Amino acid sequence: DTAVSQTPKYLVTQMGNDKSIKCEQNLGHDTMYWYKQDSKKFLKIMFSYNNKELIINETVPNRFSPKSPDKAHLNLHINSLELGDSAVYFCASSQVLGSYEQYFGPGTRLTVT
Amino acid sequence: DQQVKQNSPSLSVQEGRISILNCDYTNSMFDYFLWYKKYPAEGPTFLISISSIKDKNEDGRFTVFLNKSAKHLSLHIVPSQPGDSAVYFCAASAAWTGNQFYFGTGTSLTVIP
Repeated sequence: DTAVSQTPKYLVTQMGNDKSIKCEQNLGHDTMYWYKQDSKKFLKIMFSYNNKELIINETVPNRFSPKSPDKAHLNLHINSLELGDSAVYFCASSQVLGSYEQYFGPGTRLTVT
Repeated sequence: DQQVKQNSPSLSVQEGRISILNCDYTNSMFDYFLWYKKYPAEGPTFLISISSIKDKNEDGRFTVFLNKSAKHLSLHIVPSQPGDSAVYFCAASAAWTGNQFYFGTGTSLTVIP
């Protein structure tokens, strides 16, 4: 039973399109995150989110927006996709905001052509 | 800016021997350090952590050492097993970052049977 799941696993799309990646956690955690791992293997935080607070990494373009329909889900919407958005995106969750132990999903490999 | 560095992209070790993975960081304000392990097609999983008030933390075959003056930490795995073959990421965090993680680029460990 997967604790943190993401769909789709692979996503290939053209520049300019709008796409979403879904994330669900069944751990009962209060906080969820989105990370981006680029071609150089840097894994960087994009967003931290709980039901009270959204923390955005200032380097993230506003074309990226997290949307949380409920505590167990944090979806990532990306508008006007660019070539540089190609990366692996990981969702994660933790019991509370700022908890050091985070549980990661398997990742979504996004390729923008 | 790369605040956490893992300068060895790969490491091969014979089964039963010790694996030593290294990590350097630049910001002396980091006060908590973690190691994550990642298998292909899976998300990173938490392995072991250490607070800056300690210089060693041990959990079974895994030991993390922290040298604050050198801004260096290392993960020792002994004895190494083939199932340890994975990519190991170190990460650093601090209260001033909102407890967000800064990850290194990972070291791919191969344990040869």
